[in-house]
Amino acid sequence: GENVEQHPSTLSVQEGDSAVIKCTYSDSASNYFPWYKQELGKRPQLIIDIRSNVGEKKDQRIAVTLNKTAKHFSLHITETQPEDSAVYFCAASGGSSNTGKLIFGQGTTLQVKP
Amino acid sequence: KAGVTQTPRYLIKTRGQQVTLSCSPISGHRSVSWYQQTPGQGLQFLFEYFSETQRNKGNFPGRFSGRQFSNSRSEMNVSTLELGDSALYLCASSPQGVSNTEAFFGQGTRLTVV
Repeated sequence: GENVEQHPSTLSVQEGDSAVIKCTYSDSASNYFPWYKQELGKRPQLIIDIRSNVGEKKDQRIAVTLNKTAKHFSLHITETQPEDSAVYFCAASGGSSNTGKLIFGQGTTLQVKP
Repeated sequence: KAGVTQTPRYLIKTRGQQVTLSCSPISGHRSVSWYQQTPGQGLQFLFEYFSETQRNKGNFPGRFSGRQFSNSRSEMNVSTLELGDSALYLCASSPQGVSNTEAFFGQGTRLTVV
């Protein structure tokens, strides 16, 4: 079935460093790839998304890249700050049987040390 | 515009009982999807409703069911509760479905089965 693999499961960086989280999806028909940030005790919130007709998208310190051939997409956070500490989830959607559902990766716990 | 509202926020139930959770989407959104979040399994898709019709269903037993009303509010029901059903249940709303647009999550209902 559809699957999204996310790595690493935990990531610890110093404030100001960059962080990279990688995901691989299995359904080649997937065409929408959002990233969600979930702070402790809070709801997941969209931080950036990318569609299959785009290879890269950037929003201030956050960027996402997509390699459709390899079925990989990655989240890049530059100049990390303590408030970036949270769990990050990648997801894939839009495949032939994916109407209306998001397939999530297992999540990455990011810790930014001051 | 009000966000996605889930009620109740917390529930404690006994094994064998049933439970109903409610989700009110953002005004104008016609798609509501449900997810189960647990530490071990991450975020798993339960089902999605659009205009009162179930469009997609995840790999959960028949004890998990849902419905959507004409005002787009949705309920999910879990019958014959098991200890393993303890989880955070999140609903998400979107205008037409999460295949290519942002899904807005509610704060979730924390269900504990004892």
